[in-house]
Amino acid sequence: AQSVSQHNHHVILSEAASLELGCNYSYGGTVNLFWYVQYPGQHLQLLLKYFSGDPLVKGIKGFEAEFIKSKFSFNLRKPSVQWSDTAEYFCAVISTDSWGKLQFGAGTQVVVTP
Amino acid sequence: GAVVSQHPSWVICKSGTSVKIECRSLDFQATTMFWYRQFPKQSLMLMATSNEGSKATYEQGVEKDKFLINHASLTLSTLTVTSAHPEDSSFYICSARRYGAGSYEQYFGPGTRLTVT
Repeated sequence: AQSVSQHNHHVILSEAASLELGCNYSYGGTVNLFWYVQYPGQHLQLLLKYFSGDPLVKGIKGFEAEFIKSKFSFNLRKPSVQWSDTAEYFCAVISTDSWGKLQFGAGTQVVVTP
Repeated sequence: GAVVSQHPSWVICKSGTSVKIECRSLDFQATTMFWYRQFPKQSLMLMATSNEGSKATYEQGVEKDKFLINHASLTLSTLTVTSAHPEDSSFYICSARRYGAGSYEQYFGPGTRLTVT
């Protein structure tokens, strides 16, 4: 079945640590890839997106993600997290196979401790 | 730019009543709006896709007679939860796709917390 998988449901790390969140998808066709963040009590915000071109994309707040087509992956990274990065992170995919619908992963709750 | 609002932000209603939630694109026109449902600690589940001037397309398992969607203009879509029951309590989120945009990017509203007592 077509799906979006996020490897970690819950991550706890200290400030200044590096963060990497995995995302794999199983859709065929052309894909558009997104990472969204949902801070406590707030709405979804777009962190970054990949449509085409350079597979390493940079987003807001120091986040970046790398699209590896051969691995069907779009992992999110940040070299040094801050306490304010505590949030829920969602990977999402739109593909021609999904009729243009945005399919979300289950989300990863990231907690950054001071 | 690309701001989406929802109203109300939270609502409490009694079982058996109906509730209407509005989704507006404030500074752009939206060809398509989407309605999602999010349960606590879970991801967003697409309920339906709404195109201006046409009937909404519902995802499998979503009751179209219970969740009425109207997309009357390029800036407004409404979701009405009819004869609400406690199991309908959830966080409802809308998103909008910009008219004329070449990409599939969606802009999300802040969500509406519905509690049915």
